[in-house]
Amino acid sequence: DVKVTQSSRYLVKRTGEKVFLECVQDMDHENMFWYRQDPGLGLRLIYFSYDVKMKEKGDIPEGYSVSREKKERFSLILESASTNQTSMYLCASNGGGRGGYTFGSGTRLTVV
Amino acid sequence: GESVGLHLPTLSVQEGDNSIINCAYSNSASDYFIWYKQESGKGPQFIIDIRSNMDKRQGQRVTVLLNKTVKHLSLQIAATQPGDSAVYFCAETSANTGNQFYFGTGTSLTVIP
Repeated sequence: DVKVTQSSRYLVKRTGEKVFLECVQDMDHENMFWYRQDPGLGLRLIYFSYDVKMKEKGDIPEGYSVSREKKERFSLILESASTNQTSMYLCASNGGGRGGYTFGSGTRLTVV
Repeated sequence: GESVGLHLPTLSVQEGDNSIINCAYSNSASDYFIWYKQESGKGPQFIIDIRSNMDKRQGQRVTVLLNKTVKHLSLQIAATQPGDSAVYFCAETSANTGNQFYFGTGTSLTVIP
């Protein structure tokens, strides 16, 4: 069964901390995505990557960065966490073309 | 940006009844649509998809209908079960969005036993 694994289900971090959210997929997918999900706003794209060492800004990249050193791993970095980054973060991947995404289970991040 | 939205944020149905969840989109060039189901504490899961050259597609207990004229699609769940309780949202994409998907805000379906 194909899988996208997010390293943490729940995280609590302090304002100003640097936060790493890790995502690993085992499907050899080229494309990986980071979304945040907030009530009433749906899924909003933060960053995506179509290849190793490649990244593209999504709709809401401010306050975030990403790293894709290996094909299977796509990391989301909050350089200095703020309370407005409290959210559910979802990682997804797809193999290109018109196929849908496979999502991870999500990381619920609380910044206090 | 794209506008993909759902008409109703919440829906409650009796177990055994049919459920209909609606989705509107604004990009007339959208040509591929997916319905996702997200259970509490889990990531979204693919339910069914449909391409713009089709009006209807059926899966197991689910049917997606696409009306391109009014830019509307719906998800019908037959004989709704308690396990169907979840948030459902649609996603759409087109070649002119670089094949990125845009997601609706979701409808929360509650099945009453």
